[in-house]
Amino acid sequence: TQLLEQSPQFLSIQEGENLTVYCNSSSVFSSLQWYRQEPGEGPVLLVTVVTGGEVKKLKRLTFQFGDARKDSSLHITAAQPGDTGLYLCAGARSTDKLIFGTGTRLQVFP
Amino acid sequence: GAVVSQHPSWVICKSGTSVKIECRSLDFQATTMFWYRQFPKQSLMLMATSNEGSKATYEQGVEKDKFLINHASLTLSTLTVTSAHPEDSSFYICSASLTGLSSPLHFGNGTRLTVT
Repeated sequence: TQLLEQSPQFLSIQEGENLTVYCNSSSVFSSLQWYRQEPGEGPVLLVTVVTGGEVKKLKRLTFQFGDARKDSSLHITAAQPGDTGLYLCAGARSTDKLIFGTGTRLQVFP
Repeated sequence: GAVVSQHPSWVICKSGTSVKIECRSLDFQATTMFWYRQFPKQSLMLMATSNEGSKATYEQGVEKDKFLINHASLTLSTLTVTSAHPEDSSFYICSASLTGLSSPLHFGNGTRLTVT
């Protein structure tokens, strides 16, 4: 059973478009992280959100943690081909385990 | 910054043989290491949590006798896939942290295992 469902699964857009990826769960998480993974490599941490309602910005990327700490979103403004990759959310319910979401594969065409 | 090194990056083995994958933290001491498995175009599935000096904690459905994990030092954890079969072919990724999840998690670059 996947605790963290991401949507959409796949996203194919043109350069310059905006997009939002959602990460939803029925469970409460103490913190939530977003990663991006390139083919054949390990995930790279983008951000960690801890407080319900928290919003963090990383250049063109905006991350939000839901008020109830059960969901999160990632919004990318003016997507670029370099944003292409697999985006993964990951939730921690305690200090000893990180559970990954189902993943969103983004393709940005020039 | 902190670096986690995985070796080998890819390996091809024959069915029935065993393969060992190493995960090293290069510039910090990792009390906890995690092993994940990733099928093509899918997310990471946690296999087990490895704590230095103690037995690994396996996730439900992961055979501990097939996927042997050893975390003998604070900088090295190994995953041995015993009696490998084609269905074990996958991308295996380790991650390490200084103190469980209360400190940042660093990922290795993964090992692509192909069993023929």
